[in-house]
Amino acid sequence: NAGVMQNPRHLVRRRGQEARLRCSPMKGHSHVYWYRQLPEEGLKFMVYLQKENIIDESGMPKERFSAEFPKEGPSILRIQQVVRGDSAAYFCASSPLLDSHEKLFFGSGTQLSVL
Amino acid sequence: GESVGLHLPTLSVQEGDNSIINCAYSNSASDYFIWYKQESGKGPQFIIDIRSNMDKRQGQRVTVLLNKTVKHLSLQIAATQPGDSAVYFCAEKWSGGAGNMLTFGGGTRLMVKP
Repeated sequence: NAGVMQNPRHLVRRRGQEARLRCSPMKGHSHVYWYRQLPEEGLKFMVYLQKENIIDESGMPKERFSAEFPKEGPSILRIQQVVRGDSAAYFCASSPLLDSHEKLFFGSGTQLSVL
Repeated sequence: GESVGLHLPTLSVQEGDNSIINCAYSNSASDYFIWYKQESGKGPQFIIDIRSNMDKRQGQRVTVLLNKTVKHLSLQIAATQPGDSAVYFCAEKWSGGAGNMLTFGGGTRLMVKP
C-alpha cells in the first residue's frame, strides 16, 4: 500500500532551466495538493488539483509556475526559467476526501536547488 | 501575516517525560485543526486532527486540546521517546474561507534527550 510518491527526491537546476516535479497520489486518492517549504518554515499552499482539473491555484505564482494532473499518470509541477529563489522543498499531498484539504497525506518531497 | 503561530521554536525534553507543544491562531472562524510531525528529510506525517466542535481528542500517546476562547491549540505527547524528535506543525482551516486551504504555522522543533 504505497503512500504518496514523489520524484525526483533531489533536483539541481541552473538558473533559466526548467524543473519538472512529479507526484503520484495514494491509491484511491484523486485529489492532489502541492505545497512549498523553505528551510525552517511551515508549508505554503500552492495549488489543488483533481484529475484533469485545477481547483484552486491561488497560492501559485502567476508566472513560470504551472501544474497539471492528467487523466493518466502523475501530477506534474512545472517551473520554467528557474531562479535561485525557487530553491525549496516541494511537497505533494493527496486526500481521500473531496475538496476538504483535510487528512492530507504527504510525500517525501522534492528538494529543488537552483545554482 | 500568518494566522497560525507557535510560542516555542525549540522544545527539549527528557525521554519518558510528557511533551506539550503549543500553537496560537488568530482566525476565530477556523473550524478544523491538524498536527503534523516532520522528520528531517521527510514529508509531514499526519498525527491527529480536531474540529472546532470538540475541545479534546486523544490518539495513541497523543492528545490535542483546543481552547477556542483564547484561540489556542496544544499537542501533548505522553512518555516522549527519541523517535518523537522532529519538527511539529499545527495547521488550521476555515471551511468558509476562500480556497478552503490549510494554513500552516512555523513549526516547533522537539528534541528528546535520552
